[in-house]
Amino acid sequence: GDSVTQMEGPVTLSEEAFLTINCTYTATGYPSLFWYVQYPGEGLQLLLKATKADDKGSNKGFEATYRKETTSFHLEKGSVQVSDSAVYFCALRTNTGNQFYFGTGTSLTVIP
Amino acid sequence: DTAVSQTPKYLVTQMGNDKSIKCEQNLGHDTMYWYKQDSKKFLKIMFSYNNKELIINETVPNRFSPKSPDKAHLNLHINSLELGDSAVYFCASSQVVPYEQYFGPGTRLTVT
Repeated sequence: GDSVTQMEGPVTLSEEAFLTINCTYTATGYPSLFWYVQYPGEGLQLLLKATKADDKGSNKGFEATYRKETTSFHLEKGSVQVSDSAVYFCALRTNTGNQFYFGTGTSLTVIP
Repeated sequence: DTAVSQTPKYLVTQMGNDKSIKCEQNLGHDTMYWYKQDSKKFLKIMFSYNNKELIINETVPNRFSPKSPDKAHLNLHINSLELGDSAVYFCASSQVVPYEQYFGPGTRLTVT
């Protein structure tokens, strides 16, 4: 069945370090892919998305590219800040029906 | 303006009780969802409603029942609460196109 697998955390980085959070998916056809962020005590917020192969989603310095050949959608940021500390979720929406699948979340802590 | 709101934010109750969580969205979206997030941040979809019809019903106990009085509301009723129901419950909504989901702030349910 369809699913999303993302790297387990927690991840701890120093401020201004480079961030990569890996996400791979299993799905038939061409799903849409998303990254959501959950700040402490809050609900999930859409961070970025990509709806077709080779699309690059970007927002707030974060980027992710939809790679059909490797079924991946890795999240990257060149220089993290303390305010980026949160839990990040990779998700997909199937292109048939309206089903969403979320990864298990990756906790990121950025230290000054 | 709050896009997706939930009440209450915190709910503490005893085993065996019946409780409800309310959700409202003012985005004009077609579809609403309920998710359960456990202590490890794992997010599981419970229900979704599209135009007042249940379109996804994952394998959740029938003690949980969604009720949608109109397109802007999707309430969650829980009967005979159990300790394992303790979690954070998130409501979300989306349009058919584009279909990214907008989440509420969550309701932390504690069953004692």
